[in-house]
Amino acid sequence: EADIYQTPRYLVIGTGKKITLECSQTMGHDKMYWYQQDPGMELHLIHYSYGVNSTEKGDLSSESTVSRIRTEHFPLTLESARPSHTSQYLCASSESNIEQYFGPGTRLTVT
Amino acid sequence: QKEVEQNSGPLSVPEGAIASLNCTYSDRGSQSFFWYRQYSGKSPELIMFIYSNGDKEDGRFTAQLNKASQYVSLLIRDSQPSDSATYLCAVNPYSGGGADGLTFGKGTHLIIQP
Repeated sequence: EADIYQTPRYLVIGTGKKITLECSQTMGHDKMYWYQQDPGMELHLIHYSYGVNSTEKGDLSSESTVSRIRTEHFPLTLESARPSHTSQYLCASSESNIEQYFGPGTRLTVT
Repeated sequence: QKEVEQNSGPLSVPEGAIASLNCTYSDRGSQSFFWYRQYSGKSPELIMFIYSNGDKEDGRFTAQLNKASQYVSLLIRDSQPSDSATYLCAVNPYSGGGADGLTFGKGTHLIIQP
């Protein structure tokens, strides 16, 4: 069982608010990822990290930012939420270069 | 632009039959290929990966890769109702299978009819 956690699981928030989606893993994995997935659509990589102080943008342009100050923690921040940010956000981690472990996801709704 | 194409389905298969899921990809440099299963409202979980041309078997699952045709498939033998899910194909251009730059297809929705 993978030990990767995301909070909150569900979030409904008004336009213009700043939000931080939390992701933590207890497996000591160096690589961590954020994906965005709309219902019935494919996963899109929006951010990834090779380790502490390393962050890269993914294939899908995103207004969100990430930080990696500790190995186990990879939070995603939206400075000013908009309805277009409504989606599911999935965090994942990997050590073996083979399997990515996904967290349970955060379903974000911006009204 | 890297693309991974899958028939979105739904693909309906009777219980006990073989389910065949297909995926094509556009990036000829792709080196590693993954099949994830995603139940409704849940996160994806890896069920198979394959790097070399040919077949790879794991229990009831067989992944097939043909790099010349840029085609990868997943066969599920003796299909069970619990196999009903969306199956995501993902490709990566790096032979190490690192997830950097993983490109996912939209997924095929599989329904196993009891």
